[in-house]
Amino acid sequence: GPKVLQIPSHQIIDMGQMVTLNCDPVSNHLYFYWYKQILGQQMEFLVNFYNGKVMEKSKLFKDQFSVERPDGSYFTLKIQPTALEDSAVYFCASSYWGGYNYAEQFFGPGTRLTVL
Amino acid sequence: DAKTTQPDSMESTEGETVHLPCSHATISGNEYIYWYRQVPLQGPEYVTHGLQQNTTNSMAFLAIASDRKSSTLILPHVSLRDAAVYHCILRVAGGNNKLTFGQGTVLSVIP
Repeated sequence: GPKVLQIPSHQIIDMGQMVTLNCDPVSNHLYFYWYKQILGQQMEFLVNFYNGKVMEKSKLFKDQFSVERPDGSYFTLKIQPTALEDSAVYFCASSYWGGYNYAEQFFGPGTRLTVL
Repeated sequence: DAKTTQPDSMESTEGETVHLPCSHATISGNEYIYWYRQVPLQGPEYVTHGLQQNTTNSMAFLAIASDRKSSTLILPHVSLRDAAVYHCILRVAGGNNKLTFGQGTVLSVIP
């Protein structure tokens, strides 16, 4: 079936540095999402994105976070600067529809971010 | 979105039919019921969804109570590949399509 790819699978950085997580969504999908899962805890919604704009963001989506999809390529999550509490697995997802017309979300395998 | 309640864990044997319950006593009329599952080191995978009528697809059968306050995901003839955490999620129609995950039910499958 359709696949969402995430690059890299694991990233280790020092606190205060910038990190960019990359997501290659399903090719014809229009809606994009980031979720965060701390080890042993439930997955939590961060943000969704459509037509170049953030549609909704949660309280976890701090000012240090930003998302974009330049030129229809990778959908990225940038954290600048990183903090220790940002250590988690970040999952990207995409769907063809969003809003009222629900469509299943396809998830990537996640990027494990470790902030030292 | 309204809250769901699921058992923490369930166990089954290969080939059996598994019934995974979900309680959503405060569900609203415009809330859909979704099921996703997640295996370790992978992202969640869509299983099925429904509003009022029972639904079926290649993966599972979703039975929704007539008062909509509970639902059951039925997995026929489970295999080892069905071992995962199963999440029952409610979503309001017209929202921004975000998924609110809980702890889910850990399904173990014994050979």
